[in-house]
Amino acid sequence: GENVEQHPSTLSVQEGDSAVIKCTYSDSASNYFPWYKQELGKRPQLIIDIRSNVGEKKDQRIAVTLNKTAKHFSLHITETQPEDSAVYFCAAAYTGGGNKLTFGTGTQLKVEL
Amino acid sequence: GAVVSQHPSRVICKSGTSVKIECRSLDFQATTMFWYRQFPKKSLMLMATSNEGSKATYEQGVEKDKFLINHASLTLSTLTVTSAHPEDSSFYICSARGSGGVWYEQYFGPGTRLTVT
Repeated sequence: GENVEQHPSTLSVQEGDSAVIKCTYSDSASNYFPWYKQELGKRPQLIIDIRSNVGEKKDQRIAVTLNKTAKHFSLHITETQPEDSAVYFCAAAYTGGGNKLTFGTGTQLKVEL
Repeated sequence: GAVVSQHPSRVICKSGTSVKIECRSLDFQATTMFWYRQFPKKSLMLMATSNEGSKATYEQGVEKDKFLINHASLTLSTLTVTSAHPEDSSFYICSARGSGGVWYEQYFGPGTRLTVT
């Protein structure tokens, strides 16, 4: 089955700096890669996703890049703000795989003033 | 749109008892629902996938007789933790996929915090 690895496990940045979180996946059939933000005790919230037919997608301060050949994808947050502090999860899924999401291990992002 | 609720939000039960958690899609019909378990500071682990009107498909290592899943209608799925033990204490989250949505869209419920004493 699919295996998703995520790094780093914790990330501390100064407000205004950029943050980058990286994930790798094992199943070349995966073709959908969402990123979720989860605050303590809350549900995961989809912040951006990318499908395998594109290499990059951007939404304001958030961007995701995908390298299908290397089987890795990354989340980029620019101009970080304290409210960006949360746990971020990457995930992977593929058509026909029961639509199941396989999650990465998570990254605790802390944005310091 | 695409709101998913869970009930209860928190539950405390004694060891050996059973607990039922409900997952409802409030404004859409959910043909598929997923149940996840999340231990503190850990990732979401898929437990099972349930399709309306059919038996749930459990992930490897998940005991189907301990975690009973019923998806009796297009808006409701239930997870029953039978003979709960302290090691079952966790955050249980459901998600739902609608019949009219794209294959990869899932909408998450707010989660249920289970504590077994």
